[in-house]
Amino acid sequence: DQQVKQNSPSLSVQEGRISILNCDYTNSMFDYFLWYKKYPAEGPTFLISISSIKDKNEDGRFTVFLNKSAKHLSLHIVPSQPGDSAVYFCAARGSGGSNYKLTFGKGTLLTVNP
Amino acid sequence: DAMVIQNPRYQVTQFGKPVTLSCSQTLNHNVMYWYQQKSSQAPKLLFHYYDKDFNNEADTPDNFQSRRPNTSFCFLDIRSPGLGDAAMYLCATSRDIRRSSQYFGPGTRLTVL
Repeated sequence: DQQVKQNSPSLSVQEGRISILNCDYTNSMFDYFLWYKKYPAEGPTFLISISSIKDKNEDGRFTVFLNKSAKHLSLHIVPSQPGDSAVYFCAARGSGGSNYKLTFGKGTLLTVNP
Repeated sequence: DAMVIQNPRYQVTQFGKPVTLSCSQTLNHNVMYWYQQKSSQAPKLLFHYYDKDFNNEADTPDNFQSRRPNTSFCFLDIRSPGLGDAAMYLCATSRDIRRSSQYFGPGTRLTVL
């Protein structure tokens, strides 16, 4: 049973446009959410995160939005650049007890075309 | 640069032949994790070490073991690899178990013949 779902395996956008990557979760105990970026032949690298007490976190071109009532988060990349082409993983973490561990989605392959 | 290193990057083994994957870190982090990622799937946590304390996930097969001889190194031992164990194995570290980000190595791609 997938607790973190990324329903779009791939996304293709034009350079300069906005990329929107979506993630849904089912576990209401999750209170911290992260996005990781992965290039081929490299490990995932941390990109941006958001706590459940916020609904938005921005870092340069990257913004993550959290809708707790819908159990949905999204990553916006504006403007998209060819170097952003990678697999993006959504991950979630709970608090307390054994809920520390990260639960990942399957990832979305973003391709930014020049 | 502080980093997480995994060796080898590619490992080929035979069905049933024990194999060991290696992870080292220069970050001096307390926690080291092992994940298994199969093609087009989410990374799945196998176990982690918090200092010397080993924590196994409930659904990790007994075929998978781990050792952490010191802060810097952590090993993943697969005692009798099956075809279903072919995957990318990712090592990660974090300063502590709760609010710190995880830093990943590049992974080891395991092929079982």
